[in-house]
Amino acid sequence: DQQVKQNSPSLSVQEGRISILNCDYTNSMFDYFLWYKKYPAEGPTFLISISSIKDKNEDGRFTVFLNKSAKHLSLHIVPSQPGDSAVYFCAASPNAGGTSYGKLTFGQGTILTVHP
Amino acid sequence: ETGVTQTPRHLVMGMTNKKSLKCEQHLGHNAMYWYKQSAKKPLELMFVYSLEERVENNSVPSRFSPECPNSSHLFLHLHTLQPEDSALYLCASSRGGRGGSDEQFFGPGTRLTVL
Repeated sequence: DQQVKQNSPSLSVQEGRISILNCDYTNSMFDYFLWYKKYPAEGPTFLISISSIKDKNEDGRFTVFLNKSAKHLSLHIVPSQPGDSAVYFCAASPNAGGTSYGKLTFGQGTILTVHP
Repeated sequence: ETGVTQTPRHLVMGMTNKKSLKCEQHLGHNAMYWYKQSAKKPLELMFVYSLEERVENNSVPSRFSPECPNSSHLFLHLHTLQPEDSALYLCASSRGGRGGSDEQFFGPGTRLTVL
């Protein structure tokens, strides 16, 4: 049973417009959420994160929104650039309760293509 | 070298072979991870080492055997694999000490094909 779902396998956007990537989760124990970006032949790179005590976190062109009641988060990229074309993964982690490491559960990924 | 490196980048092996994947992190981190990514599936956490001690083993078959000789190096020893084990194997590291909010840094992965 998949606890983190990205229901859109792909998204195509025009340069300069907004890209919105969505992610849903089922485990109410998750309280920290991350977005990673992955280019071909590279490992995922961390993009932005949000704790469950917030509903929004912004970093430059990237904003993550969290709706805890709906168990839904989204990543907004504005304006989108061709270099943003990559696979985007959302990931979630439970309150580690004092452990010294993270335990991430990933979604399947969404392929974003930004056209010039 | 900076970040997290993995060798080899590509590996083809038969079902009777024994091989090892190597991961090295140059970030001074205390936690290291092995993930598996099969085609069209999410990344699956396999093992976690924290301060060189294995702290997570997510029901991984014994034909995968991890080793963490020190906080900078992580190995995944492979033997008698099956074709369904063909996947991208990713290593990651994190600083440790911040629990679930510990950002993980990934290596480029090893693309494994089992014939």
